[in-house]
Amino acid sequence: EVQVVESGGGLVQPGGSLRLSCAASGFTFSSYWMSWVRQAPGKGLEWVANINQDGSEKYYVDSVKGRFTISRDNAKNSLFLQMNSLRAEDTAVYYCARIGYYSDSTGYYSYYFDYWGQGTPVTVSS
Amino acid sequence: QSVLTQPPSASGTPGQRVTISCSGSGSNIGSNAVNWYQQLPGTAPKLLIYSYNQRPSGVPDRFSGSNSGTSASLAISGLQSEDEADYYCAAWDDSLDGWVFGGGTKLTVL
Repeated sequence: EVQVVESGGGLVQPGGSLRLSCAASGFTFSSYWMSWVRQAPGKGLEWVANINQDGSEKYYVDSVKGRFTISRDNAKNSLFLQMNSLRAEDTAVYYCARIGYYSDSTGYYSYYFDYWGQGTPVTVSS
Repeated sequence: QSVLTQPPSASGTPGQRVTISCSGSGSNIGSNAVNWYQQLPGTAPKLLIYSYNQRPSGVPDRFSGSNSGTSASLAISGLQSEDEADYYCAAWDDSLDGWVFGGGTKLTVL
């Protein structure tokens, strides 16, 4: 059974740092892109960052560029999000998600978040 | 302000058919597949529809997706009380080099 389980959330002061972890199991972790998606209280979903299979390609939403770093350890089936210079607007539940893929009859590939964790809450407040 | 536009709310009675729209642009829906997610109250999002109209195993065929140009739609037929949830559309955006979501539609079953 595919599972992703986040940990590391908590209360942090503005300007502080936090490192989130995501433990993956039930699939070949090193074969998939992975992602972090967040949801502020009472708000919608917001994609945060993506990382490819070997960690050589990373993408970030503009609002976290230069402050957050996504990384992975394929030997430990783990995904991470290092969050620095945290702001009140970073307060959210952070979800780890696997990026699945599908190829249709024409060979076109499409991608989607196929498995999500239960989320870990991050609160940035003094 | 979300890059993809969804109506904030939708409603229907049990057994009815409802549709939820998702409007984007050429750099996202116009170029890349649309996916839909269901988020039941207090739970993590769940993949509902991928690649415009494909259903993961376990998702009832009451749920279907379609698209036309820079818009997409989610249709739910035979509405049931357990369908009451938030629904989000999403697509990769080639200009932003990132995933974009709609603001979400809260579906109420009356």
